[in-house]
Amino acid sequence: GAVVSQHPSRVICKSGTSVKIECRSLDFQATTMFWYRQFPKQSLMLMATSNEGSKATYEQGVEKDKFLINHASLTLSTLTVTSAHPEDSSFYICSARAGGPGETQYFGPGTRLLVL
Amino acid sequence: AQSVAQPEDQVNVAEGNPLTVKCTYSVSGNPYLFWYVQYPNRGLQFLLKYITGDNLVKGSYGFEAEFNKSQTSFHLKKPSALVSDSALYFCAVRPKISGNTPLVFGKGTRLSVIA
Repeated sequence: GAVVSQHPSRVICKSGTSVKIECRSLDFQATTMFWYRQFPKQSLMLMATSNEGSKATYEQGVEKDKFLINHASLTLSTLTVTSAHPEDSSFYICSARAGGPGETQYFGPGTRLLVL
Repeated sequence: AQSVAQPEDQVNVAEGNPLTVKCTYSVSGNPYLFWYVQYPNRGLQFLLKYITGDNLVKGSYGFEAEFNKSQTSFHLKKPSALVSDSALYFCAVRPKISGNTPLVFGKGTRLSVIA
């Protein structure tokens, strides 16, 4: 299947700093990218959906000024957690899809964020 | 509202035995249906999907799933379980409408295959 990469895989930062997570579709052009957050032993929570060149659509309750999403090209999306706090510590997973709703959505390996 | 139910938090099965992970859904119209597997500290790996056509879908690693429209179910099955199949399994649906409709995930079922 298609490959989606994420970088970094793990990051530890101090409270108040900003962290950028990159998501790349390696062998296909992703018209739509999704960012999820997963708490321990729970399902994935959709944070936002983005199309290349457009502003992201955020889910209810997700602060767009805190979680900045940029989808600059058909193969790259970034999530920046601004002024991170310990409660932002989580597992962040990106996902990418080429084409319409019937297309498979492929997931990155995830990024473990720990805010001290 | 769209929803996916995975009624079992945990499924235990002996190695070599058949396994079933259940999934039912509530979506207006006919949906696209997906199964994903997640290993510890990893993202989700795609297993299989139902789009249209034959109700029995075969996927990766010997897994298959059967779409049952009348029961609105899409149970995941494998004839003979392996210890390496132990992981967290997610069922997901997406309505057949255009646009950026996101996947709706079930809460996940943890499969434990015992040697």
